[in-house]
Amino acid sequence: EVQLVESGGGLVQPGGSLRLSCAASGFTFSAYWMHWVRQAPGKGLVWVSRINGDGSSTNYADSVKGRFTISRDNAKNTLYLQVNSLRAEDTAVYYCARELYGDYGNDYWGQGTLVTVSS
Amino acid sequence: EIVLTQSPGTLSLSPGERATLSCRTSQSVSSSYLAWYQQKPGQAPRLLIYGASSRATGIPDRFSGSGSGTDFTLTISRLEPEDFAVYYCQQYGSSRYTFGQGTKLEIK
Repeated sequence: EVQLVESGGGLVQPGGSLRLSCAASGFTFSAYWMHWVRQAPGKGLVWVSRINGDGSSTNYADSVKGRFTISRDNAKNTLYLQVNSLRAEDTAVYYCARELYGDYGNDYWGQGTLVTVSS
Repeated sequence: EIVLTQSPGTLSLSPGERATLSCRTSQSVSSSYLAWYQQKPGQAPRLLIYGASSRATGIPDRFSGSGSGTDFTLTISRLEPEDFAVYYCQQYGSSRYTFGQGTKLEIK
């Protein structure tokens, strides 16, 4: 069974940093592109970033480029999102999601981890 | 950046009725790159349709997707009580993904 479990969220002050993690199981992690998607409270889904299977290719939304860094450790079956220079508008639930193999879309999602940026 | 506009913002229907949800893109996109999701309160999104018209694993056949170019549609043929949720379209292009703002499907 495919499982994605996020962790690392919490309350952080503006300008602060966090590292989000997503532990994957039930599939060959290194074979899949992986994504982060966020959702502010009461708002819609916003794509954040993705990384390919071996970690050599990454893409970012313009709103986070230069502040967020996606990475992965295939030996640990874990996806990461380093979030720096946090702003109030980064407050959201952050989901990790698997990309379909050979297609476009996200077929499995974690339950999300909440990041709250506030002083 | 391609912008996705979903309509209507809210759709009020009764169980058993047919639902038609629209997603328009600001420029033409490949059908291969268009997906639909369902999200219920407090839950992660669930993939319904990918490639504009292919149902994801385990999705009932009352859900169907169609469209091409800039106009895409998600149709739910006969609404079940569990179908009332928020629906999002998503597209891939220029090495990034974008979502529409969502359509809330509520019970009339």
